[in-house]
Amino acid sequence: KAGVTQTPRYLIKTRGQQVTLSCSPISGHRSVSWYQQTPGQGLQFLFEYFSETQRNKGNFPGRFSGRQFSNSRSEMNVSTLELGDSALYLCASSLGPHQPQHFGDGTRLSIL
Amino acid sequence: AQKVTQAQTEISVVEKEDVTLDCVYETRDTTYYLFWYKQPPSGELVFLIRRNSFDEQNEISGRYSWNFQKSTSSFNFTITASQVVDSAVYFCALSEAAGNTGKLIFGQGTTLQVKP
Repeated sequence: KAGVTQTPRYLIKTRGQQVTLSCSPISGHRSVSWYQQTPGQGLQFLFEYFSETQRNKGNFPGRFSGRQFSNSRSEMNVSTLELGDSALYLCASSLGPHQPQHFGDGTRLSIL
Repeated sequence: AQKVTQAQTEISVVEKEDVTLDCVYETRDTTYYLFWYKQPPSGELVFLIRRNSFDEQNEISGRYSWNFQKSTSSFNFTITASQVVDSAVYFCALSEAAGNTGKLIFGQGTTLQVKP
């Protein structure tokens, strides 16, 4: 059974640009969550989607947005990139709330 | 407020030693879920265990065991006879039932180094 797939694995952008990250969940999983991991702040929750609806949003500025498609695939977008957005962005899928979340390898975003 | 504290930032042991990773949580919910994840150097978070707040039974899975104590709000993880392959960052996480959301609140993680 294929795991959670995140693309791309690495990204280098400059300040002010925007970026879109993609996540394909495990087949049959309808819940997708996104997390940001940095050395200083650790793992922080960004959003959660279930059946194309955003169920929850973390404490991040409006520059961070996401969506989920009918096939459960999800994208997150960050606009007007800042140096502080450099991080590992992890996507996780699960069968539903409170079920174990299974994580992808992440997208490492570097802002120059 | 919801919070997970892993007071041990780094632990270093020699292979075959037993090691316990501590996790203390805070929540106002009476129904909640606790998780442990392992993050090896490759970066992917690997799910280890889930516990709900109504199940205080300890669990053993091979060399891994978990001790859940509601009285002290702790969910500690013990590795018996540690191996080099256990070297990783271990995260404890909390998910509250309120709002029917799966949002995970993570602790800061404990880096475990197992030396041969």
